[in-house]
Amino acid sequence: DAGITQSPRHKVTETGTPVTLRCHQTENHRYMYWYRQDPGHGLRLIHYSYGVKDTDKGEVSDGYSVSRSKTEDFLLTLESATSSQTSVYFCATADNSYEQYFGPGTRLTVT
Amino acid sequence: ILNVEQSPQSLHVQEGDSTNFTCSFPSSNFYALHWYRWETAKSPEALFVMTLNGDEKKKGRISATLNTKEGYSYLYIKGSQPEDSATYLCACTDRGSTLGRLYFGRGTQLTVWP
Repeated sequence: DAGITQSPRHKVTETGTPVTLRCHQTENHRYMYWYRQDPGHGLRLIHYSYGVKDTDKGEVSDGYSVSRSKTEDFLLTLESATSSQTSVYFCATADNSYEQYFGPGTRLTVT
Repeated sequence: ILNVEQSPQSLHVQEGDSTNFTCSFPSSNFYALHWYRWETAKSPEALFVMTLNGDEKKKGRISATLNTKEGYSYLYIKGSQPEDSATYLCACTDRGSTLGRLYFGRGTQLTVWP
C-alpha cells in the first residue's frame, strides 16, 4: 500500500465550472499519474509527472491541466468542465521500478 | 505510443476451470511488462513485473510468462475461483518510453461462475 489518497472521492459539478482533483502520496515516489476510466476504454493516461514541476501530456490531455509543486501532491484541474469529462479518475504513483500503485479513485459527474 | 493488445476482451468460466489470456506488445525496444488485477469498484493492483525473455512469475494460482522476442505474455489462472473475477490489465514500457510511462491494454474481464 503506497499510501495514496484522492480528494474528493465523489463530486458533482455543472458544465463550465472549474474543478480540481487532488492526489496525495506518502511514499516519496518520483512518478505520479492521472488516468481516467471509461467503459470500453480501460485506463487512459491524462497527464503524468516525473518530478516536482516536471509534467507531460498523456493520450487524453485536452481540457485538463496539472501541477506538481511538491513531491507528495499532484493536482488535476478541469478548467471548464464538460459532460464528456464525467468519469472515474485514478491517480497512481511509481518508484524507479515503474510498478504503479493506484489511489481509490474519484467519481466525477458533470451535469 | 505503444500498442498493447489483450485478448480475449472478456471470458466466462466455471469455478475450477483453468484459464489463460494474452497480452501482445511491440517486441522492439522492449523494457518491461506489467500485469495488474482490477476488481470492480476497487483500484488496480500490481500482480507481476517482468523484464527478461523467458521470465516466469507465480503468485498462488496465478502465473505469467513473457516472450519478448515475439512480443507476448500469457497470464494463467489455475483452478479459477469466483474471487478471481476481475479485469486483468497488462501494460508495458519500452526503452524509448521516457520517465515512467506505462502503456495499458484495455484488459480482459474474467467472470468465474460458482
